[in-house]
This record gives sequence, structure tokens and C-alpha cells, in this order.
Amino acid sequence: AQTVTQSQPEMSVQEAETVTLSCTYDTSESDYYLFWYKQPPSRQMILVIRQEAYKQQNATENRFSVNFQKAAKSFSLKISDSQLGDAAMYFCAVSQETSGSRLTFGEGTQLTVNP
Amino acid sequence: EPEVTQTPSHQVTQMGQEVILRCVPISNHLYFYWYRQILGQKVEFLVSFYNNEISEKSEIFDDQFSVERPDGSNFTLKIRSTKLEDSAMYFCASSVAPHTPTNTEAFFGQGTRLTVV
Repeated sequence: AQTVTQSQPEMSVQEAETVTLSCTYDTSESDYYLFWYKQPPSRQMILVIRQEAYKQQNATENRFSVNFQKAAKSFSLKISDSQLGDAAMYFCAVSQETSGSRLTFGEGTQLTVNP
Repeated sequence: EPEVTQTPSHQVTQMGQEVILRCVPISNHLYFYWYRQILGQKVEFLVSFYNNEISEKSEIFDDQFSVERPDGSNFTLKIRSTKLEDSAMYFCASSVAPHTPTNTEAFFGQGTRLTVV
């Protein structure tokens, strides 16, 4: 079984500053994928960034980057130059190839961006 | 940009009634999923569907639930006799075959908010 833990229920950041959201996970598989999804007030789930566990290089996507520590099973999301539109609930998730891409989500972190 | 679409966006139903939630996945995707999110809680996996059959289901997906791909484009979730605790946001998602190295993310629809009264 997979588990995902997000220990920060809420975070806040000033506009233009940088914030890091934490995520730890547990899985018995050697091949798996990690994701951060954003859920704005509209409640649609939007993929922010993904990381393949077999890749050592941390994924980046514009202002979003991850710090993937495989041995520690840690997968944090860094948002640089925060914008008001980044305010949302952020979910960390893990999937395994052997489970047909079934996603296991964390509890979520509510990010507030202050002007 | 292709997207997953779900209808209706909001459904209100009486307890004990049957409800069908509809989804149109992205056209070249082969795996389909339903997730639910009770208000204030995490998103939970319900079921995955591939090659016209269920490939995996969670303990939540009991005999009250069923899924179907009736016509090659729609993917439906039926709740046979709704209970108050079925009130939640239901998300449909789709992905290409998962054993492709670069295409394992699931694309989500905008969700259907189900309210059971």
C-alpha cells in the first residue's frame, strides 16, 4: 500500500516570495511517479509538476520545482516568485506503474498568497 | 487542448435514488478513473477501468457503485441507491496506458458535485 503525508495543512507566502510545500510518501515499489496537483476554488484538479522516481534530476516547470529525495521518500514543491493566482489547495500524489496509474493523494496544503 | 469533461457540474438527488455521473475522457486515452473528494478531505481513488473492465477498485467502491463505457466515448459512474455520505465531489480522470514511460499522468475533469438530501 502507498501512503502520502503532507504535514502542513496551511501555508502562506507574500507575493513574489518563495514557498516550499512538504510531502513524504511511502511505497514498496521501485518504479513510481510523483505529482503535485493544484486545486483552486473551482475545485478542478490541475497537474503542476511530475517526477519519475528513476530520474535523479529534480523536475522543474517554470516557477515550480521539486526537491526529490528518494532515500528519504521526500518530495517537496518550491514555488518561486509567488503570484496571487497560485493560491489554492496543493495535493501531493504518488502512482505506481503496477497499479494502472492509480493515484494516492496526501491530505493537501492550503496555500494563501498575500499581496 | 484536449480535456476531460464531466456532466452535470452539480447534481442534487434524494437519498435512495439512483444517480449517473457522466464523463467524456480524452479521446486517445485508454485508462479511466473515478475519484471522490468529500468536502474538506483528501481525494480518494474509487475505481480504474481499462479494456472495458474494472482493473482496480478501492474498498469504497462497493456493490452500490458501477462503471460503464457504454459507447466508446462516455464513461459513467452509477450509484444505485444514494446515501447521505455519498455527497462529495466526483472526479473523472483519464490517462494513456500507464506502462509508457513519459505518459503516466492522469488528466482530471472539473468534477461533479453530488449532493444527497
